[in-house]
Amino acid sequence: EVQLLGSGGGLVQPGGSLRLSCAASGFTFSSYAMSWVRQAPGKGLEWVSGISGSGDSTYYADSVKGRFTISRDNSKNTLYLQMNSLRVEDTAVYYCAKALHSGTFYPFDYWGQGTLVTVSS
Amino acid sequence: EIVLTQSPDFQSVTPKEKVTITCRASQSIGSSLHWYQQKPDQSPKFLIKYASQSISGVPSRFSGSGSGTDFTLTINSLEAEDAAAYYCHQSSSFPVSFGQGTRLEIK
Repeated sequence: EVQLLGSGGGLVQPGGSLRLSCAASGFTFSSYAMSWVRQAPGKGLEWVSGISGSGDSTYYADSVKGRFTISRDNSKNTLYLQMNSLRVEDTAVYYCAKALHSGTFYPFDYWGQGTLVTVSS
Repeated sequence: EIVLTQSPDFQSVTPKEKVTITCRASQSIGSSLHWYQQKPDQSPKFLIKYASQSISGVPSRFSGSGSGTDFTLTINSLEAEDAAAYYCHQSSSFPVSFGQGTRLEIK
């Protein structure tokens, strides 16, 4: 059974940093691209960043480029999102999501339970 | 960036009713359109892939259709457990994008 367990969210001041983690199990982690998708309170879904199975290719939404860094440790079956220079508008539930097919980035067939990031002074 | 516009934003429906949600893309995306269901306080769940392909484990009352710019999610014989927000998602062009969501309320 595929499981994605996100963690690392919390309350942080504007300008601060936070690192999210997503522990994966139930599939060959290194074979699949992974993404982070966020959802601001009461709002819709927004893709944030994606990384290939090997970790060689990474992509970012313009809204986070230069501030967020996606990475993965395939030996630990874990996905990360390092978030720096956080802004109030980054407040959201952050979901990790698995690509449907090996070798592609989208769509997403499994989602983590989400971890809440609150940016506020 | 491709913009996806869903309609309606909200719909109140009765059990056993047939529901249709539409998703319109700002430019042609072929069949690279997918649907997700998100129940309150839950993560999104994969519902339909590539416009009309079913997902294992998803009830057969859910179906999708369309291509190009106009897509439809249909729920036949709505059940109480279908109360949720529904999102379309395009993977044709980077950056990928989602519709704003359609919330279904069961009367």
